[in-house]
Amino acid sequence: SAVISQKPSRDICQRGTSLTIQCQVDSQVTMMFWYRQQPGQSLTLIATANQGSEATYESGFVIDKFPISRPNLTFSTLTVSNMSPEDSSIYLCSVDGRAPEQFFGPGTRLTVL
Amino acid sequence: KQEVTQIPAALSVPEGENLVLNCSFTDSAIYNLQWFRQDPGKGLTSLLLIQSSQREQTSGRLNASLDKSSGRSTLYIAASQPGDSATYLCAVNAGGTSYGKLTFGQGTILTVHP
Repeated sequence: SAVISQKPSRDICQRGTSLTIQCQVDSQVTMMFWYRQQPGQSLTLIATANQGSEATYESGFVIDKFPISRPNLTFSTLTVSNMSPEDSSIYLCSVDGRAPEQFFGPGTRLTVL
Repeated sequence: KQEVTQIPAALSVPEGENLVLNCSFTDSAIYNLQWFRQDPGKGLTSLLLIQSSQREQTSGRLNASLDKSSGRSTLYIAASQPGDSATYLCAVNAGGTSYGKLTFGQGTILTVHP
């Protein structure tokens, strides 16, 4: 199984600011995914991050709000830009390290005041 | 568009009971289905994965079944323990060009009391 770490584990931010979340995997993977889990809700896919190409965003999510980087096969970042209280969520990255099973990081708990 | 529903939304049982969690999905053209466990404020732990060609998978006290044609999966937990208390999520992987993109149900919150 893939071991995934995320930084930070939690943060409290002021509205209007931005936060960059890091996701590190212990092995090379083709695809990395970013999900959002709003309070009391299930997970919703934000985007797919492939190394060497632009991220692919799901309906309702845009690059200006959630820019993503994927500089190599073990690392990705998600930035939550110009934050509002509605962005308060747990953000999780996942990988298909050893297909077909998918593995998730521990999540980043974001609170926006 | 795939939709995944989990029933019940919450379940409270005494320790030792056997229990069944249900998951249904609207589009039977799936690649696989995965069950996860999520502890409060934490990430997801993969429990079982069932490929579309399989009928069931077992791991310890857990057994997951899949009836792809009817769009249903069940997670059976035998001899429940307080440590099983968590939210259980099922997720469907459509495969193909959507490979890796999981569609999640809303989850079942399980409480096992001593």
